[in-house]
Amino acid sequence: EDQVTQSPEALRLQEGESSSLNCSYTVSGLRGLFWYRQDPGKGPEFLFTLYSAGEEKEKERLKATLTKKESFLHITAPKPEDSATYLCAVFNTNAGKSTFGDGTTLTVKP
Amino acid sequence: DTGVSQDPRHKITKRGQNVTFRCDPISEHNRLYWYRQTLGQGPEFLTYFQNEAQLEKSRLLSDRFSAERPKGSFSTLEIQRTEQGDSAMYLCASSPGTLLYEQYFGPGTRLTVT
Repeated sequence: EDQVTQSPEALRLQEGESSSLNCSYTVSGLRGLFWYRQDPGKGPEFLFTLYSAGEEKEKERLKATLTKKESFLHITAPKPEDSATYLCAVFNTNAGKSTFGDGTTLTVKP
Repeated sequence: DTGVSQDPRHKITKRGQNVTFRCDPISEHNRLYWYRQTLGQGPEFLTYFQNEAQLEKSRLLSDRFSAERPKGSFSTLEIQRTEQGDSAMYLCASSPGTLLYEQYFGPGTRLTVT
């Protein structure tokens, strides 16, 4: 059974304090690893897809990286508007579906 | 196209009643997914469609849940004889489905069963 574990569950940062979120996974037939941002009461917003180990993607203050067993979401010099829950998901091409982690809730204080 | 839309956004119902939710995906997307999300948890897969064909259903999906996607366009999710444990956010997502599997989510339908 596919599994995704995200850590930490919650992270509080001061504005400008860089850090990383972790996503560990086990999946058969990995076809992609996705990162999403979710604001309270809203649906997840797609951020990145990573397909193979060593791949990196960047968007503004966010950078996602992938190894064979885990992915990191690095946030550089965060701002209060980066506060949200960040979700990681793996797509199992054999089953045709995604399995999500429970997310890391990031709070950035000004 | 403005993205995935869901209707209603909120639904309050009494235990034992039936409810139906609608999802309109991004028009050129072949795949449509339904998820359930409770507070503090990630989205939990329920079922998905490739065009009009329902290809996968979660083992967690009881017989009270049914989903359709007639003509491969919009989809409906029906819950019969609702229970308090059905209270959750129900999310719909669509995906291009051909070599591109990232999913684009709607705003969700918040169900409260009293």
